[in-house]
Amino acid sequence: NAGVTQTPKFQVLKTGQSMTLQCAQDMNHEYMSWYRQDPGMGLRLIHYSVGAGITDQGEVPNGYNVSRSTTEDFPLRLLSAAPSQTSVYFCASSRDREFVDEQYFGPGTRLTVT
Amino acid sequence: DQQVKQNSPSLSVQEGRISILNCDYTNSMFDYFLWYKKYPAEGPTFLISISSIKDKNEDGRFTVFLNKSAKHLSLHIVPSQPGDSAVYFCAAKIENAGNMLTFGGGTRLMVKP
Repeated sequence: NAGVTQTPKFQVLKTGQSMTLQCAQDMNHEYMSWYRQDPGMGLRLIHYSVGAGITDQGEVPNGYNVSRSTTEDFPLRLLSAAPSQTSVYFCASSRDREFVDEQYFGPGTRLTVT
Repeated sequence: DQQVKQNSPSLSVQEGRISILNCDYTNSMFDYFLWYKKYPAEGPTFLISISSIKDKNEDGRFTVFLNKSAKHLSLHIVPSQPGDSAVYFCAAKIENAGNMLTFGGGTRLMVKP
């Protein structure tokens, strides 16, 4: 049982490049989410999904796309990276949205956009 | 404007003493509050929570206090241990309204042996 896994751990992008941050969970959780953590700002919700095929926007969705084709995977896409997207990104999952308090977080992806 | 604020970016405490981490919020609609702990290179983990119908919740060495009139909560760790050294985030949500969490900026706790 690996929990929530994220790849890559570190990434450097140039402005305008695109990339996908991968997230997978093996706990059969329905609810998955993406957060970004910036210094002094805490974690802010980017997008979330309450089940396969269903996604919705969080607090800071601009510049990011998501899809949820399977229960296990919830990739986050940056279509045209900007320096403002330099951050640490965390994926999380929980049994369903009612249990968001006890969501399991992945180890994070540190992204730098130059 | 941040709705949940942790005004102390860092706190240093001697092992065995009490650690008190503070959190203030501005949205009076928040009715459920949580604390998360985060070690370097790991994701946050849930620590303890409190509903707005209570003013105190205890779990072992960890106690959370809620003062609704002051819109203030605090996390007490007694006694503090070196393994408690981590970043602590408080978070708040409005139950039955999407369950989206709003996080504070975090406080780095250092417990010195």
